[in-house]
Amino acid sequence: QLQLQESGPGLVKPSETLSLTCTVSSGSISSSTYYWGWIRQPPGKGLEWIGYIYYSGSTYYNPSLKSRVTISVDTSKNQFSLKLSSVTAADTAVYYCARHHTRPFGVAQIDPWGQGTLVTVSS
Amino acid sequence: EIVLTQSPGTLSLSPGERATLSCRASESVKSSYLAWYQQKPGQAPRVLIYGASSRATGIPDRFSGSGSGTDFTLTISRLEPEDFAVYCCQQYGSSPITFGQGTRLEIK
Repeated sequence: QLQLQESGPGLVKPSETLSLTCTVSSGSISSSTYYWGWIRQPPGKGLEWIGYIYYSGSTYYNPSLKSRVTISVDTSKNQFSLKLSSVTAADTAVYYCARHHTRPFGVAQIDPWGQGTLVTVSS
Repeated sequence: EIVLTQSPGTLSLSPGERATLSCRASESVKSSYLAWYQQKPGQAPRVLIYGASSRATGIPDRFSGSGSGTDFTLTISRLEPEDFAVYCCQQYGSSPITFGQGTRLEIK
């Protein structure tokens, strides 16, 4: 059964860059059937979609975060990564990595998800 | 972007009762590209329904989804103790993907 696991620092200083990696196990990130993405959830709030990447490297980002987000993929390690620059306290959230299913000309439901990792932005 | 509004914010019911959760979109969701997720405290969301009415693998048939256009519904026919959680909807017909704010289903 496919599993995803987030890793990275739990504390980031304001104005710095948040960096997280998602390791995919029991399945290949190079599958042509799926996209791989990130979603976040501020404490006590709803989910916000960040963006996704295809194994070939093509990406799509939420316009609200696009200027600060980079998602990359390393197929040799079966991993993909998130970088979010110039963070503020508003970026404090649980960050999830997840597999995006596909539909004609786009993505579909998101499943499975990693367990999530809390990233706090504070000095 | 499409804004999804869920109602009610909190629903208090007893095991064995029927739950009806609503998700309303600010504009029509293309091709009923809408999913429902269940999230328990400290856990990641898991998909229940996609395509507005298709159950995901392993999801019990007491969960059903319906709707089209701007109005969608998740129905849990007879609540089991493990069903008390937060439920949110997601549209993936238009970019960016957006989620509703969630409905908390609590034990009465």
